[in-house]
Parts: sequence; C-alpha cells; structure tokens
Amino acid sequence: GAVVSQHPSWVICKSGTSVKIECRSLDFQATTMFWYRQFPKQSLMLMATSNEGSKATYEQGVEKDKFLINHASLTLSTLTVTSAHPEDSSFYICSASLQIGTEAFFGQGTRLTVV
Amino acid sequence: AQSVTQLDSQVPVFEEAPVELRCNYSSSVSVYLFWYVQYPNQGLQLLLKYLSGSTLVKGINGFEAEFNKSQTSFHLRKPSVHISDTAEYFCAVSGPYNQGGKLIFGQGTELSVKP
Repeated sequence: GAVVSQHPSWVICKSGTSVKIECRSLDFQATTMFWYRQFPKQSLMLMATSNEGSKATYEQGVEKDKFLINHASLTLSTLTVTSAHPEDSSFYICSASLQIGTEAFFGQGTRLTVV
Repeated sequence: AQSVTQLDSQVPVFEEAPVELRCNYSSSVSVYLFWYVQYPNQGLQLLLKYLSGSTLVKGINGFEAEFNKSQTSFHLRKPSVHISDTAEYFCAVSGPYNQGGKLIFGQGTELSVKP
C-alpha cells in the first residue's frame, strides 16, 4: 500500500524559534497533501491543503504567516511553524491521496512541544 | 457543507463482547465515508471505506460498517473485540468534489476494551 512518512516524529523547541516538519509520499506521487492539527483528546482539524507547485490553501482561522507550507515536489510537502509559542504545541499529521475522493494515507504524525 | 457526528465519546466494553461505534453524517451531496483508527501518538490507519456499491463494508481486523443513506449513518461494528482494539476511532467523510483526500472528521470515539 501507499506509504506516507513524516519527520520528525517528535520535536521540542524553544519559544520564538521555527520548526520544519516534512511529509513524504514514499511510493507514489501526491499532487495534493493535507495538513491536520490534533489537540489532545480531540479530533483532527484540517489546517491547509498543499498543492504541488502552487500556494497552499488554508482553512479559515489558520494563520498563513505562522504555518508556512511548501510543496516543492510531487513527493514532499513541508510545514514550518514560525516563531513558535507554547500554544502551537500539538500533534501535526499530514496525509496524501492517490486520487480524488478515495483513501487518504496518513503520516505517523509529529508531536511538537514548544517550551 | 458536510459534518460528521460520532455519538459516543467513550465506549467501554469487555473483551470478546460485540461493539458498535456510531457515526452520523450530514451532507447535501453524495459522500465517501471512512473509519480510521489511531493508536496513541501515532497517525491514522484506515479500517474501511464506503465509496459506492454494497452498503455493508468489511474492513481490517474484523471490523465492518453499514452505510445507511436514509439514516445518514455509517456505524462501525465488530462481533468480538480484543484488548488490542483499544484505541481512538474516527469516522470521516469526503465529498466527491473535494480535492484529493480532504476529510472532515468526527470528534472521535475512545474504545476501551477491558479483560
């Protein structure tokens, strides 16, 4: 089956620094990837849709300048949390689909802790 | 707009007992439906999906779900649960016009299997 790899699995950073999270589709090309955020004991909330070669589409309420998304190739999308603060601490998960409307394959998630 | 409601936030059950996790959705267009499982600090794994055809869908790990269009439901069932089924379960919907695998998730149901 299709594999999506996310790196790192966990990261601790100091407040005010930036953190980059990578999402790779290992055995297929993903023209579209998705970034979700999950608070403890809560559901996944879509943050943005990452489109290869173009700007990401952000959901309402998500700060574009805070969460920078780059989708430079068909197998790699990155999420950069800029000037991180403790309230940005969360579990971030990416996903990618092979085709419209079908199964999305998820990365293993990244636990971000900002201290 | 689409939405998903998981009617139970927590479901405790004894090992080898049957279980049903309830999911209702709201949509003005036809949808694709999914159930995912999430183990602690991990990404999501697809249990099963309904795209079209037979309304009874069988998935991995002995789970099955039935799509009921008139009741807008997609309940997940397993006739006999194991300790290893303890996890968080998410119902999700994707519309046919949604880009790639853009998913709307329910709030999640925590299944706790006790010996």
